[in-house]
Amino acid sequence: EAGVVQSPRYKIIEKKQPVAFWCNPISGHNTLYWYLQNLGQGPELLIRYENEEAVDDSQLPKDRFSAERLKGVDSTLKIQPAELGDSAVYLCASSSGVPGEYEQYFGPGTRLTVT
Amino acid sequence: QQQVKQSPQSLIVQKGGISIINCAYENTAFDYFPWYQQFPGKGPALLIAIRPDVSEKKEGRFTISFNKSAKQFSLHIMDSQPGDSATYFCAASKNTGNQFYFGTGTSLTVIP
Repeated sequence: EAGVVQSPRYKIIEKKQPVAFWCNPISGHNTLYWYLQNLGQGPELLIRYENEEAVDDSQLPKDRFSAERLKGVDSTLKIQPAELGDSAVYLCASSSGVPGEYEQYFGPGTRLTVT
Repeated sequence: QQQVKQSPQSLIVQKGGISIINCAYENTAFDYFPWYQQFPGKGPALLIAIRPDVSEKKEGRFTISFNKSAKQFSLHIMDSQPGDSATYFCAASKNTGNQFYFGTGTSLTVIP
């Protein structure tokens, strides 16, 4: 079974430029998460999707960040414009969404460097 | 506010020794406590998890000890190996498990 796939793995951009990250969750997983991981820190939730609906985006900086999950499968996270402080690893995770099945499975992440 | 506090920040253990990482929480609504292992350049991978209805769970060399009254849980790695060198994160979630709160991580180095 394929795991969570993310691309690109690395991205270097200049500040004020836009950037987008893509995630393909584990097949059949209805719940998808985007996390931000700063160096030396644990992941912090940005947004959670149940199928195509964003059910928790309270931590997403909506002035510059946006996300979508069309058709309830793949998801894209966008930053526009990027700032120096956005340099971090962006992790995507998925879970089955079945009540009682709490396990979240993470992708390898996209390391963003903003110069 | 850090929902889950993790210690130590870093740990060095001799091969064959026991590695112990501790976490504490305040929110009694938490009902699922996983541990994740992360290697450089990789995403976190689920290692082992426990629910509050048991005090201990063991899977191979990895054991979670859970103290509900103290609101603490710990990861024990028996017979630590150099391949265990990684960063370990504890986490906690409540209700349907959708919101995970992660600790700040422990960098484990196992010396051959």
